[in-house]
Amino acid sequence: EVQLVESGGGVIRPGGSLRLSCTASGFTFDDYAMSWVRQAPGKGLEWVSGINWNGGTTGYADSVKGRFTISRDNAKNSLFLQMNSLRAEDTALYYCARQTSYGGKSETDYWGQGTLATVSS
Amino acid sequence: QPVLTQSSSASASLGSSVKLTCTLSSGHNSYIIAWHQQQPGKAPRYLMKLEGSGSYNKGSGVPDRFSGSSSGADRYLTISNLQSEDEADYYCETWDTNTHVFGTGTKVTVL
Repeated sequence: EVQLVESGGGVIRPGGSLRLSCTASGFTFDDYAMSWVRQAPGKGLEWVSGINWNGGTTGYADSVKGRFTISRDNAKNSLFLQMNSLRAEDTALYYCARQTSYGGKSETDYWGQGTLATVSS
Repeated sequence: QPVLTQSSSASASLGSSVKLTCTLSSGHNSYIIAWHQQQPGKAPRYLMKLEGSGSYNKGSGVPDRFSGSSSGADRYLTISNLQSEDEADYYCETWDTNTHVFGTGTKVTVL
């Protein structure tokens, strides 16, 4: 059974940093690209960032480019999102998600349960 | 980069059918999309991948009541024999080089 478990969320002041983690199980992690998708309270889904199977290719939404960094550790079946210079508008539930291909140019087929990041003074 | 347009809401009676639309922006009408369901308070769930030809592949455990179809830039999700548990938000997704895009979502109400 595919499982994606996020952690690392919390309350942080504007301008601060947070590192989210996602631990995967139930599949061969380095066969798949991965993404982070967020959902602000009461709002829709927003793709944040994606990474291919070996970390060699990454992509970012314009709203987070230059502030967030995605990475992965295939030996530990883990995906990360380093979030710096956080703003109030980054407050959201952050989902870890799996793509169906190793390159990432494919649909999302599994989602984690999410971890909540709240940016507030 | 592609843009996906969805109606904000739809409603239908228990046991009837509802057809949701996701429209691709100009120049992107050949793109493949995916449909996802998000029940209240839950994480999204993958429903299916839908091609411009109308061919679709559903995720594991997705009931037969869910089907997909296409026409030009429009991608459709049809829910037949609507059940109370189908009351949810439905999002379409597409992708391009190093980016993914989600539609704004359609809230389905079961009357």
